[in-house]
Amino acid sequence: DSGVTQTPKHLITATGQRVTLRCSPRSGDLSVYWYQQSLDQGLQFLIQYYNGEERAKGNILERFSAQQFPDLHSELNLSSLELGDSALYFCASSDENREETQYFGPGTRLLVL
Amino acid sequence: GQNIDQPTEMTATEGAIVQINCTYQTSGFNGLFWYQQHAGEAPTFLSYNVLDGLEEKGRFSSFLSRSKGYSYLLLKELQMKDSASYLCAVPNQAGTALIFGKGTTLSVSS
Repeated sequence: DSGVTQTPKHLITATGQRVTLRCSPRSGDLSVYWYQQSLDQGLQFLIQYYNGEERAKGNILERFSAQQFPDLHSELNLSSLELGDSALYFCASSDENREETQYFGPGTRLLVL
Repeated sequence: GQNIDQPTEMTATEGAIVQINCTYQTSGFNGLFWYQQHAGEAPTFLSYNVLDGLEEKGRFSSFLSRSKGYSYLLLKELQMKDSASYLCAVPNQAGTALIFGKGTTLSVSS
């Protein structure tokens, strides 16, 4: 158990809908990262937040957005969902003293029908 | 930019030793990571190498050669539970995220 929690574990929705994925980092970690893992693409970095501020953006679509709240939990919002958005979404966190090592949550499996 | 190559699949038998190779190209080097991922589960941290050489951690060891852009993960005394995907990763240029290889799926049979 990494100490990172994510909810929900599974999500099934329809095309065109909007969903919100939630992540709580390990206690004391200020950085939160979001990754998408699909069968053909592997693990792809989406976005990073540090202490409430956006720090880095990766391959994140404009239909996706994220935020980190004062209590450091983070939410990833996915809108106008398409079939191709079906994937595992992982959140990871890291300690500011050892930022290079990221600890991953159990993931949310999203299925868009 | 960053590019990572690793074999797609490997097979081995219980009790054996297996070496999973990773070659990388990066614009700047800030270390190399190995993660283990069982199907449908979270990647779990195995090792981080920033200096050349071999680092041993129980049954798992990781080697790095920065001049060759090469790393390997060595798994000894293989067990069935070692069947998983092994991901090689390097930090991006800004050091703000990890760039992962596609992973090597290891199947251990009895």
